[in-house]
Amino acid sequence: GQNIDQPTEMTATEGAIVQINCTYQTSGFNGLFWYQQHAGEAPTFLSYNVLDGLEEKGRFSSFLSRSKGYSYLLLKELQMKDSASYLCAVSSNQAGTALIFGKGTTLSVSS
Amino acid sequence: DAGVTQSPTHLIKTRGQQVTLRCSPKSGHDTVSWYQQALGQGPQFIFQYYEEEERQRGNFPDRFSGHQFPNYSSELNVNALLLGDSALYLCASSLGLAGINTGELFFGEGSRLTVL
Repeated sequence: GQNIDQPTEMTATEGAIVQINCTYQTSGFNGLFWYQQHAGEAPTFLSYNVLDGLEEKGRFSSFLSRSKGYSYLLLKELQMKDSASYLCAVSSNQAGTALIFGKGTTLSVSS
Repeated sequence: DAGVTQSPTHLIKTRGQQVTLRCSPKSGHDTVSWYQQALGQGPQFIFQYYEEEERQRGNFPDRFSGHQFPNYSSELNVNALLLGDSALYLCASSLGLAGINTGELFFGEGSRLTVL
């Protein structure tokens, strides 16, 4: 089957750096997505990794290791508005054209 | 450039009733996927429509059905509502069936359904 694991909750302070990990098990891996979802709102696309390595986009970076079934989302210079749920999702041949989501990591940023 | 739009944003139904949710994809997209997100959970794939046909279906009962129109907009219908159907229903659009493999999958704001 398919499985995606990420921590349920994380806390951090403004200006800090936080790393949210995601591990996955699937066959026919096609790519890994990170989405940000504020409470009561739709998921917003953050990043997409299909090859190993680090993709940097402003304050956010995402890393992928396909051999380890592992990804992380790195958030730098945290701001209060970064308080949200961060969803890791995998695209795979096993799932066809569906995305399989983890349960999300709720990040709370305090001052 | 219009993003993904969904309606209604909120609705309340009672058990046994039927509901129809609507979605217009992002401009230039022709494929619509529907997801159900229960409180505290990640979205779960319901089904996907392309060229007015259901192309893939997740693990949802036949009470969940859908339709895609020639203008690419889509509807999700749920019959015989159960309390457990209470959730945020998300529509996501992409270009072609393989669109998500290019990273192009965008979500609407969702329709929050409460079943009493």
